[in-house]
Amino acid sequence: GENVEQHPSTLSVQEGDSAVIKCTYSDSASNYFPWYKQELGKGPQLIIDIRSNVGEKKDQRIAVTLNKTAKHFSLHITETQPEDSAVYFCAATSGGGADGLTFGKGTHLIIQP
Amino acid sequence: DAGVIQSPRHEVTEMGQEVTLRCKPISGHNSLFWYRQTMMRGLELLIYFNNNVPIDDSGMPEDRFSAKMPNASFSTLKIQPSEPRDSAVYFCASSGQGQKQYFGPGTRLTVT
Repeated sequence: GENVEQHPSTLSVQEGDSAVIKCTYSDSASNYFPWYKQELGKGPQLIIDIRSNVGEKKDQRIAVTLNKTAKHFSLHITETQPEDSAVYFCAATSGGGADGLTFGKGTHLIIQP
Repeated sequence: DAGVIQSPRHEVTEMGQEVTLRCKPISGHNSLFWYRQTMMRGLELLIYFNNNVPIDDSGMPEDRFSAKMPNASFSTLKIQPSEPRDSAVYFCASSGQGQKQYFGPGTRLTVT
């Protein structure tokens, strides 16, 4: 089955700086890669996703890149703000979103004021 | 629009008791997923349904766990009998036509 590795487990950045979280996956059949943000006591919230036919996708301050050859994908957050502090999860699946997701272990992002 | 609805939000029970968690997916979504979150194992898929039919239950840890989806707007996850190691946050998620999965607020289960 799929295995997703996520790094780092904790990331502390100064407000206004950029943050990058990286994930690798093992199953070359995986074709859908969502990113979720989870705040304390809440369910994961989908923030951006990318499919295997696209190399990069951007939504305001958030961008995701995908390298299918190397089997890794990354989340980039620019101009970080205090409200970006949360745990971020990457995930992968081969069902294009119709199948269950395999998640990374999460990154605790801390924005220092 | 109402998102995924889960009940109860918190459940505290004693070992050996039956626990039933409930989920109402987003209206119009045809796929429903049950996940469990623990510190040790992170977020893991337990089972999912497409058009009310269970597709993959390989993530269900033991026969003590069972899930049903009697109709498009309701699903249950049952644990009988419950054990302390079942303590976790259980999430339900739904998606439409193989697209984005949206998560509910979760049920925090504590088994003493």
